[in-house]
Amino acid sequence: DTAVSQTPKYLVTQMGNDKSIKCEQNLGHDTMYWYKQDSKKFLKIMFSYNNKELIINETVPNRFSPKSPDKAHLNLHINSLELGDSAVYFCASSQELAGGFEQFFGPGTRLTVL
Amino acid sequence: RKEVEQDPGPFNVPEGATVAFNCTYSNSASQSFFWYRQDCRKEPKLLMSVYSSGNEDGRFTAQLNRASQYISLLIRDSKLSDSATYLCVVNDSGTYKYIFGTGTRLKVLA
Repeated sequence: DTAVSQTPKYLVTQMGNDKSIKCEQNLGHDTMYWYKQDSKKFLKIMFSYNNKELIINETVPNRFSPKSPDKAHLNLHINSLELGDSAVYFCASSQELAGGFEQFFGPGTRLTVL
Repeated sequence: RKEVEQDPGPFNVPEGATVAFNCTYSNSASQSFFWYRQDCRKEPKLLMSVYSSGNEDGRFTAQLNRASQYISLLIRDSKLSDSATYLCVVNDSGTYKYIFGTGTRLKVLA
């Protein structure tokens, strides 16, 4: 049983398009995250939700809009895709918002913008 | 100064060797510390949490030095399967952010 799942695994699209990535966790965790890992392998947090409430919103362009319909799901919609958006996007979850808890990552979505 | 810094490597070591990585962090108020492992084209997975008194899990030992603001990971008797990127992670208790280092790449050679 997959703990944190993401779809799609690969996404190839043209500049200017709008795309969404979906994430689901079946661990019963309260907190979910989106991370971006660029070509230099640097993993940087984008957003964090706790019980469907946005807690962390890093300096991410407002073309990126997360949505959490319930505690188990956190989706990421990206408008007007740019070349620099090409990266691997990881969803993660942890039991609680407070630190000290293990984060469980999804398998990642490899986004390529042409 | 970066919030979390690691030597990117790669560290190329023979099987059976002992290898150590360090990681420095800038926020003295950081409370939680971790080592994650990431295999090529895979997601990061928790290797071990780092406790104030230091902790050991089999061949892996983690240490925390709050005064100098660094954590370390020691791997004894390296195996080929230890080849991966090791990510240092620090949790900022004020903002709830997990801050990742850029990772240290380890290659264990036969």
